[in-house]
Amino acid sequence: EVQLLESGGGLVQPGGSLRLSCAASGFTFSNFDMSWVRQAPGQGLEWVSSIRGGGPETFYSDSVKGRFTVSRDNSKNTLYLQMTSLRPEDTAVYYCASGLRQIHHWGQGTLVTVSS
Amino acid sequence: DVVMTQSPLSLPVTLGQPASISCRSSQSLVYSDGNTYLNWFQQRPGQSPRRLISQVSNRDSGVPDRFSGSGSGTDFTLKISRVEAEDVGLYYCMQGTHWPLTFGGGTRVEIK
Repeated sequence: EVQLLESGGGLVQPGGSLRLSCAASGFTFSNFDMSWVRQAPGQGLEWVSSIRGGGPETFYSDSVKGRFTVSRDNSKNTLYLQMTSLRPEDTAVYYCASGLRQIHHWGQGTLVTVSS
Repeated sequence: DVVMTQSPLSLPVTLGQPASISCRSSQSLVYSDGNTYLNWFQQRPGQSPRRLISQVSNRDSGVPDRFSGSGSGTDFTLKISRVEAEDVGLYYCMQGTHWPLTFGGGTRVEIK
């Protein structure tokens, strides 16, 4: 059974940084592209970033480019999202998901709140 | 960016009756490999999204056969043949053909 477990969310002040992690199990992690998708409170889904299975090719939405960095450690079956220069509009539940063009499995999400 | 427009925003349905959700893209979703990367997701209240359909019409394992996807080019539809109580929630289409990946705004299915 595919499992994706996010961690690292929390309350951070504007301008601060946070690193999200996503521990994957139940599939051959290194063979799969991975993505981050977020959902602001009461809002729809917004794609944030993706990374190829073998790395290093990465993709970002314009809203996070230059501030967020996606990476992965295939030896640890873990996906990361390093977030810097955080803004109030980055407040959302961040989901880790398998796939890229065909996003498939989703984690339970981790809440990031950017507020002073 | 490719804009994904879903309609209706809200869909009240009687149990056992059919439901249909439209998703239109601002550009063709046919990729250079010949595939059309149009996905449908269901998000039940308080839960993470779950993929129902990939590449327009491929139903995922475990998804009831009352769900079906169709369409081509820029015009796509998700149909529920007979709505059940467990189908209540938000439904999103998503295109994976063009960067950035984009989602529709969502359609809320509720029981009348």
